[in-house]
Amino acid sequence: NAGVTQTPKFQVLKTGQSMTLQCAQDMNHEYMSWYRQDPGMGLRLIHYSVGAGITDQGEVPNGYNVSRSTTEDFPLRLLSAAPSQTSVYFCASYRAGVNTEAFFGQGTRLTVV
Amino acid sequence: AQSVTQLDSHVSVSEGTPVLLRCNYSSSYSPSLFWYVQHPNKGLQLLLKYTSAATLVKGINGFEAEFKKSETSFHLTKPSAHMSDAAEYFCVVGGFQKLVFGTGTRLLVSP
Repeated sequence: NAGVTQTPKFQVLKTGQSMTLQCAQDMNHEYMSWYRQDPGMGLRLIHYSVGAGITDQGEVPNGYNVSRSTTEDFPLRLLSAAPSQTSVYFCASYRAGVNTEAFFGQGTRLTVV
Repeated sequence: AQSVTQLDSHVSVSEGTPVLLRCNYSSSYSPSLFWYVQHPNKGLQLLLKYTSAATLVKGINGFEAEFKKSETSFHLTKPSAHMSDAAEYFCVVGGFQKLVFGTGTRLLVSP
């Protein structure tokens, strides 16, 4: 059972480049989210989705784009990378309902130079 | 709106002594509460969750947390720290569609 799979694990981008972080889950979870983790700031929500075709902004959405065409996949696109987007990115999935825990991918460490 | 405050950014203990990591939450309705642990350069693992069935929640690796509605707290404890407990711990409040993370508490365990 793979759970939540994120790719790539590491990435270095130049300022202005674009890229897509991939996230896939095999648990048939309705909800999926993207977070970024920065020192001393915990995990901050970028975008989330409550089902295929439905996405919404989180706390820090600027510079990122998402789509959810299938239940399984929730890619995160950086449109024009900036050094401020250097961070560790985590994808999570969870069932709808109360008290349902989230399952996390292993993270993508992104450096923008 | 929901929020969570972890009261200590770092906690240092000696191996074999008790651990207390403090968390206060704010929620407009009955919250879902979780503690996650992150070991260095690893992903996040669920330690325990509050399900409203009992106010004292037992988790993995000997950790437990007590939900106190009157104090809006969900502190994490362990009777005796082990070196392998050194990690970052996140208190999380969940509600409608979203999870909100605290800023984390780094637990340091010395021999």
